[in-house]
Amino acid sequence: AQKVTQAQTEISVVEKEDVTLDCVYETRDTTYYLFWYKQPPSGELVFLIRRNSFDEQNEISGRYSWNFQKSTSSFNFTITASQVVDSAVYFCALSEGNSGNTPLVFGKGTRLSVIA
Amino acid sequence: DVKVTQSSRYLVKRTGEKVFLECVQDMDHENMFWYRQDPGLGLRLIYFSYDVKMKEKGDIPEGYSVSREKKERFSLILESASTNQTSMYLCASRRRTVHSNQPQHFGDGTRLSIL
Repeated sequence: AQKVTQAQTEISVVEKEDVTLDCVYETRDTTYYLFWYKQPPSGELVFLIRRNSFDEQNEISGRYSWNFQKSTSSFNFTITASQVVDSAVYFCALSEGNSGNTPLVFGKGTRLSVIA
Repeated sequence: DVKVTQSSRYLVKRTGEKVFLECVQDMDHENMFWYRQDPGLGLRLIYFSYDVKMKEKGDIPEGYSVSREKKERFSLILESASTNQTSMYLCASRRRTVHSNQPQHFGDGTRLSIL
């Protein structure tokens, strides 16, 4: 069965600090997709990134970077030089297979607070 | 941009009422989903649909049903509302593509209170 674990329930950092949000997943499929979403205080979930199981290349987008390691079943998310606007709940999610029909299974989320 | 619209942002109903939550998407997506979000529990899948008139149970379908008569609309029904169904409800849609799983796009959510 598929499962996503975000062990950090809440993290608090001071502005400009770097912060890493951990995500560990479980799946028996060799083909799967991993996602990160951001949920700001307004409530809407915003898609950030998708990665498939065959692409272990790390990705950087501005201050955001993602580290995918199949050996440890982890897909961690780092924010560099954090800002107050980064304050949100962040969710990691997994979708098995590649039929296009499998729903996302979400972790419980990590609440990030960035203090000015 | 994908737009997923949920009919109400806030809703207050009474125990025992039949409650309808409506969701409409404008991008001709095949897949649609209903989740509920509770503190400390994250998002849990209630039902999903991968085509018109098709539905599949998620992890917590008890007390709920769904309807998908048209491709763009996916309704969640609380047959007889109970206080433990007080929650944030999130609708999502997704394009189905061959050999890949696309991201899901979410609505703003409906905060439902059952009194």
